[in-house]
Amino acid sequence: DAKTTQPNSMESNEEEPVHLPCNHSTISGTDYIHWYRQLPSQGPEYVIHGLTSNVNNRMASLAIAEDRKSSTLILHRATLRDAAVYYCILRGEIYNFNKFYFGSGTKLNVKP
Amino acid sequence: GAGVSQSPSNKVTEKGKDVELRCDPISGHTALYWYRQSLGQGLEFLIYFQGNSAPDKSGLPSDRFSAERTGGSVSTLTIQRTQQEDSAVYLCASSSRETGNYNEQFFGPGTRLTVL
Repeated sequence: DAKTTQPNSMESNEEEPVHLPCNHSTISGTDYIHWYRQLPSQGPEYVIHGLTSNVNNRMASLAIAEDRKSSTLILHRATLRDAAVYYCILRGEIYNFNKFYFGSGTKLNVKP
Repeated sequence: GAGVSQSPSNKVTEKGKDVELRCDPISGHTALYWYRQSLGQGLEFLIYFQGNSAPDKSGLPSDRFSAERTGGSVSTLTIQRTQQEDSAVYLCASSSRETGNYNEQFFGPGTRLTVL
């Protein structure tokens, strides 16, 4: 299974943008890049996903490198509620479609 | 509408006992997943059900673990002869491949299992 590499932790100030990096150098052509986050004492929640093009939704933006070996989740204005563990996950479109390998994620701390 | 629910929310058991954990997925969701999360760790895939297809059991750590899904809805994860290393939060998620964003998994609040 293709794996991802993320920093263990990051810190941000409230109201400032946050860029959360993810390396996935072994990504295959059919793997989608997913991001989930897990707030304290809760189950994970979906944030965003993409294949090749950058993606935007109400929660965040996803910037995908041209070679797809890395991606960045962008929170445009961090709030205290965004403090969570962020997981970058690869999911195969054809193979390993069932399996989400969550890894240990990046713990984001947001300072007031 | 109602989200994924799990019961019990907390379970304390003695080593060697069997436990059953229940998951009620979102109505109409055909896919159901079980994960395990040890303290401070990421999620570990356990098993996946999709409709009437044979489940993907490749993540189950030992033959003490089993799961079933009755009628394509409610699922039960059973752990036999529990060990202390089974202590973790067990998370269930469901998703739908038929409509909408089938990439999105909806997670329940989890069951915290403590084996003494």
